[in-house]
Amino acid sequence: DQQVKQNSPSLSVQEGRISILNCDYTNSMFDYFLWYKKYPAEGPTFLISISSIKDKNEDGRFTVFLNKSAKHLSLHIVPSQPGDSAVYFCAASAGLGGTYKYIFGTGTRLKVLA
Amino acid sequence: GAGVSQTPSNKVTEKGKYVELRCDPISGHTALYWYRQSLGQGPEFLIYFQGTGAADDSGLPNDRFFAVRPEGSVSTLKIQRTERGDSAVYLCASSSNRGPSETQYFGPGTRLLVL
Repeated sequence: DQQVKQNSPSLSVQEGRISILNCDYTNSMFDYFLWYKKYPAEGPTFLISISSIKDKNEDGRFTVFLNKSAKHLSLHIVPSQPGDSAVYFCAASAGLGGTYKYIFGTGTRLKVLA
Repeated sequence: GAGVSQTPSNKVTEKGKYVELRCDPISGHTALYWYRQSLGQGPEFLIYFQGTGAADDSGLPNDRFFAVRPEGSVSTLKIQRTERGDSAVYLCASSSNRGPSETQYFGPGTRLLVL
């Protein structure tokens, strides 16, 4: 049972345009959500996070939106740059119970075309 | 400061052998996690340490997998009688665990290939 889903395995965007990556989840106990970026042969790098008490968090070119009623979050990258080309993973955790393990989606490969 | 480090970066072994994978967390981080990432998948949780104790080992696939963190810093993931299906990237992460919303910082991973 995939609790965190990224239904688009890949996305291509022109440099300077907006990239929108989507993520859906099924577990209503999730209260913390994150996006990680991963380059080949490297570990995931933390990008941005959002708590369930918020519906938006912004950091420079990156904005994460959370829609709890739809159990959906998205990552917006504006403007997209060639260096943003990587695999992006959505992750979620349920902080209750004292274990903060992350549940990851399967990733979306973003290619930003120069 | 230094990030999470993992050794070896690559490990090739034969089916049935024993392997140890090492993780050095960020200094001062009390929480340490192991994940496994197979091709085309996201990382999957294996085990979580809070200090020296395993607080959650629900992700370990079977009793061939074991992990320790004897002094609350470095951790070793041990796999006995390796199988070809164990081939994956093993990722370690650490966090400061000072509150309910903690960010985990990942190491580069150990790529394990079982022949």
